[in-house]
Amino acid sequence: DGGITQSPKYLFRKEGQNVTLSCEQNLNHDAMYWYRQDPGQGLRLIYYSQIVNDFQKGDIAEGYSVSREKKESFPLTVTSAQKNPTAFYLCASRVGQGNTGELFFGEGSRLTVL
Amino acid sequence: GNSVTQMEGPVTLSEEAFLTINCTYTATGYPSLFWYVQYPGEGLQLLLKATKADDKGSNKGFEATYRKETTSFHLEKGSVQVSDSAVYFCALLGGYQKVTFGTGTKLQVIP
Repeated sequence: DGGITQSPKYLFRKEGQNVTLSCEQNLNHDAMYWYRQDPGQGLRLIYYSQIVNDFQKGDIAEGYSVSREKKESFPLTVTSAQKNPTAFYLCASRVGQGNTGELFFGEGSRLTVL
Repeated sequence: GNSVTQMEGPVTLSEEAFLTINCTYTATGYPSLFWYVQYPGEGLQLLLKATKADDKGSNKGFEATYRKETTSFHLEKGSVQVSDSAVYFCALLGGYQKVTFGTGTKLQVIP
């Protein structure tokens, strides 16, 4: 089945540790996105990538890093510099050409910092 | 930059009531507009979209019309069901492929 796979679904981290969230898609989409969801704040854009080997900061990029070495993969690293990393993280992709295509989302990864 | 403003929730309605969730936006150029729905414990899925002014998106009894003159994209449904209980997000696709979301509106439908 085509879709977006995020892993792990749940992750616990100690303060001061980096953690990497995986996002893989087999939809052949060019553009991929990472959002953070917190109660009452909706979805906030962390990073996005329109094409392989290129990515842009979103609205809350501080304390996060990404890479886009392959079309199907867009991992997100939550670094120790992120002051409040406990959240629900959503990865998404879209066709990337033109201005009409919708986002397809994974099921999310819930990160808890102990 | 672009922004999306949604009415705050939660919204609680009785089954078969009429639903309106307001959404207004600020953007340069000609964005596409979307409504996404998130059921408990799941990721988001597209509900409907409109890509140009005066377009009406519709799906599963929900409708929204792209109003450029009022910069709005309000979501409506004539008769809600308990199964419609979810969080609804308005979103905008603007320049450089950036997608901006509103804060979401939680809908609870009671029998």
